[in-house]
Amino acid sequence: DQQVKQNSPSLSVQEGRISILNCDYTNSMFDYFLWYKKYPAEGPTFLISISSIKDKNEDGRFTVFLNKSAKHLSLHIVPSQPGDSAVYFCAAPEGAGGTSYGKLTFGQGTILTVHP
Amino acid sequence: DAGVIQSPRHEVTEMGQEVTLRCKPISGHDYLFWYRQTMMRGLELLIYFNNNVPIDDSGMPEDRFSAKMPNASFSTLKIQPSEPRDSAVYFCASSFGAAETQYFGPGTRLLVL
Repeated sequence: DQQVKQNSPSLSVQEGRISILNCDYTNSMFDYFLWYKKYPAEGPTFLISISSIKDKNEDGRFTVFLNKSAKHLSLHIVPSQPGDSAVYFCAAPEGAGGTSYGKLTFGQGTILTVHP
Repeated sequence: DAGVIQSPRHEVTEMGQEVTLRCKPISGHDYLFWYRQTMMRGLELLIYFNNNVPIDDSGMPEDRFSAKMPNASFSTLKIQPSEPRDSAVYFCASSFGAAETQYFGPGTRLLVL
């Protein structure tokens, strides 16, 4: 059972435009979400996170939005740059009542390509 | 800090051989995770340790897989005997506390012929 889903395997965007990557989850106990970015031949690196007590978290060009009622989150990158081309994973730690047990469940990933 | 170190970076072996993957976590981190990434299943957690003790190995695919953490600075993931379906990229990650921010190593790309 895929508890975290990224239904778009790939996304292509022009440089300077907005990139929107989507993620859906099924486990209503998830209360914290993370986005990781992965370049080829490297391990994933942490990008941004959001707690369920918020509906938005912003860090420079990256903003994550959380819609708890829809069990949906999205990552916005504005403006997109060619260096943003990578695989993006959303993830959620298992746990209940705000406690994380360190066990992350990852989505399948979305390949973002930003064209110059 | 050098980050999480994994070795080897690439491994090619023949079916039936033993494979040992190694990981050195970031100094001071008390959680260590082993993941496997495949096209079919994506990034999946195999096992994780807290203070060198295995906490959850429910993701280990079968008895051919074993992992150890003899001390805070070293862990191994062993596959014996290896099979072609074990071909994947294996990542090690570490974190401080049960914090959600895990730091990943560069991965070991395993090919079993």
